[in-house]
Amino acid sequence: QSVLTQPPSVSGAPGQRVTISCTGSSSNIGAGYDVHWYQQLPGTAPKLLIYGNSNRPSGVPDRFSGSKSGTSASLAITGLQAEDEADYYCQSYDSSLSGHWVFGGGTKLTVL
Amino acid sequence: QVQLVESGGGVVQPGGSLRLSCAASGFTFSSYGMHWVRQAPGKGLEWVAFIRYDGSNKYYADSVKGRFTISRDNSKNTLYLQMNSLRAEDTAVYYCAKVPGPYHAFDIWGQGTMVTVSS
Repeated sequence: QSVLTQPPSVSGAPGQRVTISCTGSSSNIGAGYDVHWYQQLPGTAPKLLIYGNSNRPSGVPDRFSGSKSGTSASLAITGLQAEDEADYYCQSYDSSLSGHWVFGGGTKLTVL
Repeated sequence: QVQLVESGGGVVQPGGSLRLSCAASGFTFSSYGMHWVRQAPGKGLEWVAFIRYDGSNKYYADSVKGRFTISRDNSKNTLYLQMNSLRAEDTAVYYCAKVPGPYHAFDIWGQGTMVTVSS
């Protein structure tokens, strides 16, 4: 049971727009801690996709965008491409007693 | 080129020990906090441990507290994870990751090293 909740899977056709939600609580996202997103292609290490809720590292296409509101955050991918098929994870910091750095359970994106 | 390279993984019996290393290059290692993150086969990412840039503070996930020790040698640009009393549930790929600050994103990841705990 992850502290941050993501849908297990999402799918979309090439060219479409998909969103992935990340729901937290008052001890993490709702406490003002930033949300970061990572993309993990099959058989590879995770790669930073979005940092500080909505910022893209150099080299990440502007088809990827992030947002945050209240106790939730979202990753949006527009103009879906076959190469976007991967697992996506949100991550934040949790200030509860047993918390610290926390990840969502991950979302598998399938490009139909 | 900023790079992190893990090593030290392998097969170990339950109750055994293993020490992982993460060699850093291409950046000023002594200026950055470092994390260990693991991923069990077919599962999601799980944060394991964090150490501040100077080694002054260390934090652990409840699942490894008292069994794992994170450390670093800034003179060797290397991060370590000493894993004792290993259990089957510790079987995972272990990644090291660099962070600009404690609450910042894990901006660079290593390729991972596999640890299998099995008799």
